[in-house]
Amino acid sequence: AQSVTQLGSHVSVSEGALVLLRCNYSSSVPPYLFWYVQYPNQGLQLLLKYTSAATLVKGINGFEAEFKKSETSFHLTKPSAHMSDAAEYFCAVVANTGNQFYFGTGTSLTVIP
Amino acid sequence: EAQVTQNPRYLITVTGKKLTVTCSQNMNHEYMSWYRQDPGLGLRQIYYSMNVEVTDKGDVPEGYKVSRKEKRNFPLILESPSPNQTSLYFCASSFQTSNQPQHFGDGTRLSIL
Repeated sequence: AQSVTQLGSHVSVSEGALVLLRCNYSSSVPPYLFWYVQYPNQGLQLLLKYTSAATLVKGINGFEAEFKKSETSFHLTKPSAHMSDAAEYFCAVVANTGNQFYFGTGTSLTVIP
Repeated sequence: EAQVTQNPRYLITVTGKKLTVTCSQNMNHEYMSWYRQDPGLGLRQIYYSMNVEVTDKGDVPEGYKVSRKEKRNFPLILESPSPNQTSLYFCASSFQTSNQPQHFGDGTRLSIL
């Protein structure tokens, strides 16, 4: 079975500061991992995905994430926060042999001017 | 334009009155899925479909039905809605393999009184 834990339901950073959103996964088989972003009143948009190629994955809008098997983590980072990054972020996992997706509970990112 | 279209976007209805939320995608995706989003719980998968006439339960299927008679459409049916089904619902689609990201609709907000 698979599951995802996102530590911190709310994260606040100053504009220009590092963004770090945490995601830990549990999977009995090699997983595929995704980060999605949700802006108010919209659906989810893909930021980046890990599908067993490079462990450091670069996504859109300057975000990246590193797959660390030893730590079962897939944290999302961005070197310098922008006001437009304020949104809800979701981590998701699916087994590489499966078809059922599991999402974390989400992290709301606030960017302080 | 590639998109997943849900209708209606908003619906207020009463307990026990059957309703259907439609979902249509124009990307020729095999995989389609329904989620509900609740505060503090993230997204939970209700049902998914690997292809026409192939559907399977997700994490929270109770009280819902789906059908997949055509590749592009995947309606969600609430035969006898109850207040605990008040939620924000998302339809998503992707190509068949599990390493493919999902494309989400803009959501349907259901209120059941």
